[in-house]
Amino acid sequence: NAGVTQTPKFRILKIGQSMTLQCTQDMNHNYMYWYRQDPGMGLKLIYYSVGAGITDKGEVPNGYNVSRSTTEDFPLRLELAAPSQTSVYFCASSPKSTGELFFGEGSRLTVL
Amino acid sequence: ILNVEQSPQSLHVQEGDSTNFTCSFPSSNFYALHWYRWETAKSPEALFVMTLNGDEKKKGRISATLNTKEGYSYLYIKGSQPEDSATYLCAPVVRGYNKLIFGAGTRLAVHP
Repeated sequence: NAGVTQTPKFRILKIGQSMTLQCTQDMNHNYMYWYRQDPGMGLKLIYYSVGAGITDKGEVPNGYNVSRSTTEDFPLRLELAAPSQTSVYFCASSPKSTGELFFGEGSRLTVL
Repeated sequence: ILNVEQSPQSLHVQEGDSTNFTCSFPSSNFYALHWYRWETAKSPEALFVMTLNGDEKKKGRISATLNTKEGYSYLYIKGSQPEDSATYLCAPVVRGYNKLIFGAGTRLAVHP
């Protein structure tokens, strides 16, 4: 049972480049989340989804886009990378809104 | 924006000490409260999900209490061990919202 899988684990981008962080889960969870780790600030919610076809903004959505075409996949897209997006990104899933979150291993992104 | 406060921000204790920290959140429309343990270079892992006022949950040497009327939860660690060193995050869930907004966390360091 793989749980929540994120790829890539590490990536270096140049300013203005685009990329997609992939997230897939095999637990048939409806709820999926993208967080970024800001130093001293814990985890900030970027976007979340309560089911296929439904997404909504979190605390810090600017500069990001998401889609949820299937229950399993919840990719996060950066269109024009900026140094402020240098962070560690975590994808998580949950079976319900009050259920515990299951996190992926994180993706470390550096924008130079 | 949900205001979640955790205190203290960081804590250094000696092995064997017992310790506790606080999570404060808006009491209106409360639905659930999550606690997570986050070790350095790893992903957060769920400790507790609490929903009832007065609820107390325990996992080994770690326990948590919940006061939904006044909007706070305490996390206790009895007889701290070096392996307890981590950041402890709380996240309240508000009724009508499906997203988990995390506090900044309490960073615990347990010294041998």
